[in-house]
Amino acid sequence: QKEVEQDPGPLSVPEGAIVSLNCTYSNSAFQYFMWYRQYSRKGPELLMYTYSSGNKEDGRFTAQVDKSSKYISLFIRDSQPSDSATYLCAMSEDDKIIFGKGTRLHILP
Amino acid sequence: NAGVTQTPKFQVLKTGQSMTLQCAQDMNHNSMYWYRQDPGMGLRLIYYSASEGTTDKGEVPNGYNVSRLNKREFSLRLESAAPSQTSVYFCASSPQGWGAEGYTFGSGTRLTVV
Repeated sequence: QKEVEQDPGPLSVPEGAIVSLNCTYSNSAFQYFMWYRQYSRKGPELLMYTYSSGNKEDGRFTAQVDKSSKYISLFIRDSQPSDSATYLCAMSEDDKIIFGKGTRLHILP
Repeated sequence: NAGVTQTPKFQVLKTGQSMTLQCAQDMNHNSMYWYRQDPGMGLRLIYYSASEGTTDKGEVPNGYNVSRLNKREFSLRLESAAPSQTSVYFCASSPQGWGAEGYTFGSGTRLTVV
């Protein structure tokens, strides 16, 4: 089993819909959980991070971590065409950070 | 506020040629990283430098060398390029180590080896 699993998509949703992006992981030692957004031909940029379990909200974005299920989610409310990008989950413990392979998201106008 | 600057943005090499990818950050970060990103493979760590004066191998170091020239600059060298090294290369930096501050990435170098 790979350490971090993420569905590559593509995921296409209409503008205004709620988007749910997810990752599962196998290493229970992970403490920090992050989401990066990567536009085409650009480098990834940190979108949100959470420590341990729980929810964190930032505008239209909500990150959720369920350590008991080893499952993390990113929700995007009122999705916009500008949200079209690849979203990478990432998680770390003391000495390494592991990235998911990314989910391509298309928001249809 | 430049962040992480990578040069060049694009490069085409012939098999066997050498080149150095340059990376500089202006955020006074201690740690710097080199990743490659390939379709279906995600981001893979090549080398990293936890602090000035130290470098360590990542997941895919073969065929590469690095130099942490000073706190700002971290270069990646391909001594004898191979077609398997065709990829997009990203440099990143972080304040310290692997923690939640996250990484700041450069905009990437697209390398094609023919």
